[in-house]
Amino acid sequence: ELKVEQNPLFLSMQEGKNYTIYCNYSTTSDRLYWYRQDPGKSLESLFVLLSNGAVKQEGRLMASLDTKARLSTLHITAAVHDLSATYFCAVDGGNQFYFGTGTSLTVIP
Amino acid sequence: GAVVSQHPSWVICKSGTSVKIECRSLDFQATTMFWYRQFPKQSLMLMATSNEGSKATYEQGVEKDKFLINHASLTLSTLTVTSAHPEDSSFYICSANNRGQGNTIYFGEGSWLTVV
Repeated sequence: ELKVEQNPLFLSMQEGKNYTIYCNYSTTSDRLYWYRQDPGKSLESLFVLLSNGAVKQEGRLMASLDTKARLSTLHITAAVHDLSATYFCAVDGGNQFYFGTGTSLTVIP
Repeated sequence: GAVVSQHPSWVICKSGTSVKIECRSLDFQATTMFWYRQFPKQSLMLMATSNEGSKATYEQGVEKDKFLINHASLTLSTLTVTSAHPEDSSFYICSANNRGQGNTIYFGEGSWLTVV
């Protein structure tokens, strides 16, 4: 079974700072997704990474994928309070998605 | 864009009763839908894969007789929690696979179930 691990699980950071969330997965996959979840809400799609070396950016968030290392990163630049949420990566295992453990991010003013 | 709609958004029911949650793909046909359960501060756990016109595929540890899944049409899958108990209280999320857009997965808004 494909395993997906995120690190860290919880993250508290000050506004204006940078940080990276890591997503490691155990078997080969070429499709990786990042989602944001606000409390009490469903998932909001952030990025879809479809190939090795893929890099996508939207606002203060940038995601990358290294399929050889089985690693994806979500980099936060100059964090703002609005980014406070839980972030999940998910790997397409062929017939189903495998979700990471989630990273709960709190941005402190 | 494509939308997946869940209904109801939240429901409170008494122990021992059954509750149905609907998942609809609004502007595309979904031969495959997925049902997830999420407990507070945890990740999503896949419960079952719902296949149109055939039986659902349940993940290990999920009771198929308790969580009835029906995917009778290409735009609707339903999850019925039978004889609900307080431990079934959770956030249930469905997703649908849009093969017409390169197997893009769309998530529903989720349904909060509280069993009292």
